Amino acid sequence: NAGVMQNPRHLVRRRGQEARLRCSPMKGHSHVYWYRQLPEEGLKFMVYLQKENIIDESGMPKERFSAEFPKEGPSILRIQQVVRGDSAAYFCASSSGGDRGYTFGSGTRLTVV
Amino acid sequence: EDQVTQSPEALRLQEGESSSLNCSYTVSGLRGLFWYRQDPGKGPEFLFTLYSAGEEKEKERLKATLTKKESFLHITAPKPEDSATYLCAVQARAGNMLTFGGGTRLMVKP
Repeated sequence: NAGVMQNPRHLVRRRGQEARLRCSPMKGHSHVYWYRQLPEEGLKFMVYLQKENIIDESGMPKERFSAEFPKEGPSILRIQQVVRGDSAAYFCASSSGGDRGYTFGSGTRLTVV
Repeated sequence: EDQVTQSPEALRLQEGESSSLNCSYTVSGLRGLFWYRQDPGKGPEFLFTLYSAGEEKEKERLKATLTKKESFLHITAPKPEDSATYLCAVQARAGNMLTFGGGTRLMVKP
């Protein structure tokens, strides 16, 4: 897991605030995926990005959530006006493409109070 | 819609007591089936990818097998350090994402 860097590890936000989660993929990986793990639930796909492009956002909630993967810098998952139901662990994974297994980061645990 | 169901949800074993975890799946054209291990507070750690029915892969005490409808993760003579949640996921040929099952929480007692 050390190869995919996520920060912060823990994030506490009050309802209505914004949360920004960052992910730096493994060196040489240009594909980034975001997954959400709600308490007592499995991992759910949110969005798939390549540099400067959103490829598949079919798992993203339609409102308040956005993601980007700029030419320079980490991928960002942004949640506006957070609500208690957004409390979860958010995992980023990266790959070099194709059929190889993804490498996951250690996650960001978001708590909305 | 792709679906993955893992059973049992939780499994308690004595050290040395071999067993198997099940992953049943439906997918519109399988590109790959993945097994991951997840420890508390950490991200999933990649174990295996299986691509076609009949394929088997091994790593230490773990062996993964695949049929057209399910995959098994066999654990031989487990040790307490094998305690973790084991996740199964499928990737469809046409898709980019992994669809995960709910996981099996394995506890191995010394």
